[in-house]
Amino acid sequence: DQQVKQNSPSLSVQEGRISILNCDYTNSMFDYFLWYKKYPAEGPTFLISISSIKDKNEDGRFTVFLNKSAKHLSLHIVPSQPGDSAVYFCAAKYTGRRALTFGSGTRLQVQP
Amino acid sequence: NAGVTQTPKFQVLKTGQSMTLQCAQDMNHEYMSWYRQDPGMGLRLIHYSVGAGITDQGEVPNGYNVSRSTTEDFPLRLLSAAPSQTSVYFCASSYSIGTGAYNEQFFGPGTRLTVL
Repeated sequence: DQQVKQNSPSLSVQEGRISILNCDYTNSMFDYFLWYKKYPAEGPTFLISISSIKDKNEDGRFTVFLNKSAKHLSLHIVPSQPGDSAVYFCAAKYTGRRALTFGSGTRLQVQP
Repeated sequence: NAGVTQTPKFQVLKTGQSMTLQCAQDMNHEYMSWYRQDPGMGLRLIHYSVGAGITDQGEVPNGYNVSRSTTEDFPLRLLSAAPSQTSVYFCASSYSIGTGAYNEQFFGPGTRLTVL
């Protein structure tokens, strides 16, 4: 049973608009949530993280929002750029462990 | 720094063959791990290591062995390859200052394995 779920396999947005990628989780023992970005034929690269004690973290064009009561997090990219086209993985770290649990990924395509 | 390197990039095996996927990092990271990525399933943890001489199982360890004789290297061995092991394999590493915080994991470029 997947503990981290990304229910949208793909998303297409226009350049300059906002991209919103969503992620749901089931385990209350996760203490950190992360987003990784992956280009074809490359390994995932870390994008942004958020602690479970916060509800927002911002880094440039990227903002992650955490709603603990709904067990939901989202990644906002504003403005979206064609170079943002990639697969985005949501991941979570379990309290007391280092290993990550990944979602199945969302493929983002930003149209010029 | 080369970061995390993996060899080979591609490999085709026949059922029953064995092989070793190599992973090395030059960042002096204590924590290293192996994941496999399958369509629609994200990345799943196979084995991990918190330091030289210490390894442990992840979510999907069956059919795989690991060892960690040095800080730099963390090879993954397939003992008797099966078609179900067809996947893309990623090695990752990070600093390990404890489990109370998150340390960014750095991923290698992956090895695409096909078992016929």
